[in-house]
Amino acid sequence: DSGVTQTPKHLITATGQRVTLRCSPRSGDLSVYWYQQSLDQGLQFLIQYYNGEERAKGNILERFSAQQFPDLHSELNLSSLELGDSALYFCASSPAGASSYNEQFFGPGTRLTVL
Amino acid sequence: GQQLNQSPQSMFIQEGEDVSMNCTSSSIFNTWLWYKQEPGEGPVLLIALYKAGELTSNGRLTAQFGITRKDSFLNISASIPSDVGIYFCAGDRLPTGTASKLTFGTGTRLQVTL
Repeated sequence: DSGVTQTPKHLITATGQRVTLRCSPRSGDLSVYWYQQSLDQGLQFLIQYYNGEERAKGNILERFSAQQFPDLHSELNLSSLELGDSALYFCASSPAGASSYNEQFFGPGTRLTVL
Repeated sequence: GQQLNQSPQSMFIQEGEDVSMNCTSSSIFNTWLWYKQEPGEGPVLLIALYKAGELTSNGRLTAQFGITRKDSFLNISASIPSDVGIYFCAGDRLPTGTASKLTFGTGTRLQVTL
């Protein structure tokens, strides 16, 4: 158990809908990262938040957005869903110390199925 | 999206054998990480490397940060059935600080037979 929690574990929805995925980082970690894992694209970095502010951005679609709240939990919002958005979505968190900052600890993931 | 080149793509080995896999890139990375993922679970961090040439062990696992900073290697000695899973390398071009942007490898699927 990494200490990172994600809800829900599974989500089934229809095209055009909007969903929200939730993540709670490990105790003491200030950074939260979101990743998408699909069969054809592998694990892709989407976005990072550090202490409530966006800090790094990857190939995140404009239909996707995220935020980190004062209690450090984060939400990933996916809107106007398409079939191709079906994937595993992982959240990770990392320690605040500079020497180990890149060590990201992953949650169990949310499996999103768009029908 | 970008992915690092990992080889081999899959390995079928017998229990007790040693395993080697590597990860290569055309770009320089400041950090190399190795993760293991089992079905239905998130990746689990195995080893983190921060300096070119660094060799780090974690039990039966040993990983090295390539001198050119464009590659990394993972060795598993005396494999056991619970080593089964997909092993991913990940690199970060950003220096250690408050921003991090991991690029993951394509994965090496390891199967261990008794």
